[in-house]
Amino acid sequence: GAGVSQSPSNKVTEKGKDVELRCDPISGHTALYWYRQSLGQGLEFLIYFQGNSAPDKSGLPSDRFSAERTGGSVSTLTIQRTQQEDSAVYLCASSLDHSNQPQHFGDGTRLSIL
Amino acid sequence: QKEVEQDPGPLSVPEGAIVSLNCTYSNSAFQYFMWYRQYSRKGPELLMYTYSSGNKEDGRFTAQVDKSSKYISLFIRDSQPSDSATYLCAFPGTSYGKLTFGQGTILTVHP
Repeated sequence: GAGVSQSPSNKVTEKGKDVELRCDPISGHTALYWYRQSLGQGLEFLIYFQGNSAPDKSGLPSDRFSAERTGGSVSTLTIQRTQQEDSAVYLCASSLDHSNQPQHFGDGTRLSIL
Repeated sequence: QKEVEQDPGPLSVPEGAIVSLNCTYSNSAFQYFMWYRQYSRKGPELLMYTYSSGNKEDGRFTAQVDKSSKYISLFIRDSQPSDSATYLCAFPGTSYGKLTFGQGTILTVHP
């Protein structure tokens, strides 16, 4: 597709379950970013990938959060043992490379923890 | 003190009005300046991307940067109901483009 694709668009799960969120960046974009958007905190950086490596994971809120990227393309963000405070919209963005190129966002995954 | 402060709004204006959206920042490492528009239940969409102090115009949108005052603005002329959205200022603060966002301003343009 032409844009950044994220799935699922909505996810409702019970507290304590694990969830996997997927991001398919724009073809040819080597840089990939995950952000989280919540009412109280706004839009916050989680992790940055250049190719398959993650030089900056500083925004991951706890060790329950992990992410990987394979083949320099698709990325998955995994949250283990979900908590209610994990409820938020998880946004993925990609850019052509890492040198402050414009970032293009997907429409996010809206995660609700019951 | 937060790195970025954005006028919280919300703003409600009549169609045709000029809208001014503003952010201040404290981090001198911010050298690039972006404005994103976000419609409800959609991802942010890049509107303007500037580097220099001064004005950059694109259609009805003008981005203004004052690096000495650490202040940026987005002006929307002849506002339309379709401009109703949340507007976010954003700053890449690292060489690899990690973005720091303002809290967002909700704008409603009523016919």
